[in-house]
Amino acid sequence: GQNIDQPTEMTATEGAIVQINCTYQTSGFNGLFWYQQHAGEAPTFLSYNVLDGLEEKGRFSSFLSRSKGYSYLLLKELQMKDSASYLCAVMDSNYQLIWGAGTKLIIKP
Amino acid sequence: GAVVSQHPSWVICKSGTSVKIECRSLDFQATTMFWYRQFPKQSLMLMATSNEGSKATYEQGVEKDKFLINHASLTLSTLTVTSAHPEDSSFYICSARTGTGITEAFFGQGTRLTVV
Repeated sequence: GQNIDQPTEMTATEGAIVQINCTYQTSGFNGLFWYQQHAGEAPTFLSYNVLDGLEEKGRFSSFLSRSKGYSYLLLKELQMKDSASYLCAVMDSNYQLIWGAGTKLIIKP
Repeated sequence: GAVVSQHPSWVICKSGTSVKIECRSLDFQATTMFWYRQFPKQSLMLMATSNEGSKATYEQGVEKDKFLINHASLTLSTLTVTSAHPEDSSFYICSARTGTGITEAFFGQGTRLTVV
């Protein structure tokens, strides 16, 4: 079966760095997406990785290792507005998105 | 990025009535639209995939007669929750992709449905 695993909840301090991990087992792989979702709102796109390595976009970076079925989202210089759920999604061989349950990130002052 | 508009953003209805939710792609043609349901503290659950001009493909366990999906044009898809019950109360989100293959999904704002 297809499976995406990510931690349920994480807590970090304002100004610090946090890494949210995602492991996956899917039928085929056409890339991995990270989305941010604030409570009561729809998800917004953060990043897309299809090749191994690190993609940096401002304070956010995303890493992928296809051989390990592993990705992480790295958030630097955390701000209170970064408190949200972070969803990992993998596009399988049928170009369907398989969603993880999301990681709720709590930022404390 | 592309814009997907979903309406209404929230709705309260009486048990037994029907509710229609609209999803529009404003600046692109969405050949495929997806309807998700999300319960509190849970991930997105795909309900159905909608292709313009053809019948929607429903996920296992989703009742076709209860959740009517119409994708009449390349910019509009609608989800109608028929004979709504309190257990249908949830956050419904549509998303659209600009084509086939590897493209990111753009999401509507979501609709909070409360059935009383």
